Amino acid sequence: SQTIHQWPATLVQPVGSPLSLECTVEGTSNPNLYWYRQAAGRGLQLLFYSIGIDQISSEVPQNLSASRPQDRQFILSSKKLLLSDSGFYLCACGSGTSGVKQFFGPGTRLTVL
Amino acid sequence: KQEVTQIPAALSVPEGENLVLNCSFTDSAIYNLQWFRQDPGKGLTSLLLIQSSQREQTSGRLNASLDKSSGRSTLYIAASQPGDSATYLCAVAPPTDSWGKLQFGAGTQVVVTP
Repeated sequence: SQTIHQWPATLVQPVGSPLSLECTVEGTSNPNLYWYRQAAGRGLQLLFYSIGIDQISSEVPQNLSASRPQDRQFILSSKKLLLSDSGFYLCACGSGTSGVKQFFGPGTRLTVL
Repeated sequence: KQEVTQIPAALSVPEGENLVLNCSFTDSAIYNLQWFRQDPGKGLTSLLLIQSSQREQTSGRLNASLDKSSGRSTLYIAASQPGDSATYLCAVAPPTDSWGKLQFGAGTQVVVTP
């Protein structure tokens, strides 16, 4: 079964600083990969999804970007963080087109001060 | 645009009682519906997945039903235990051409008291 690693687990960054969050997946090949953000007391919001290397789609306009340099590696980045970027970031993987369960990583807690 | 709502936002029950968690969605054109559990500060664990052609799924003490026509799903947890305390999230998957982009509800926070 799939295992998803995310790091760092927690991060405190000043406004205007850059960001790089990494997600790697084991136990599957050619997965669909997703980045979600969970703000305090709210549901998950899909930020990016990827169906293959260098194939990234954005769901919401924002100052974040995503990259997929390898089949099982997904990176979330920002050049300049905003206060509103604070939240809990979750990476997930699935396969096929909506037909199967999605598996989630342990998440990264980001606080922007 | 699909909207997913979970009511109540929070629920507290004594140990042994059955839990009933509700999820409603506005667009009945879904591919499947999933229920997840989230412990504080942790990622999500998938509990049950119901395909749009199914009416219910069961796993141990958990049973989830789906009524697409009314846009509702219910998660039942029998004989609750303190270890069931968590936030429960439901999510719907749109039709098959949307690559599994889940739409989540805000969740129901459950506390089971000993």
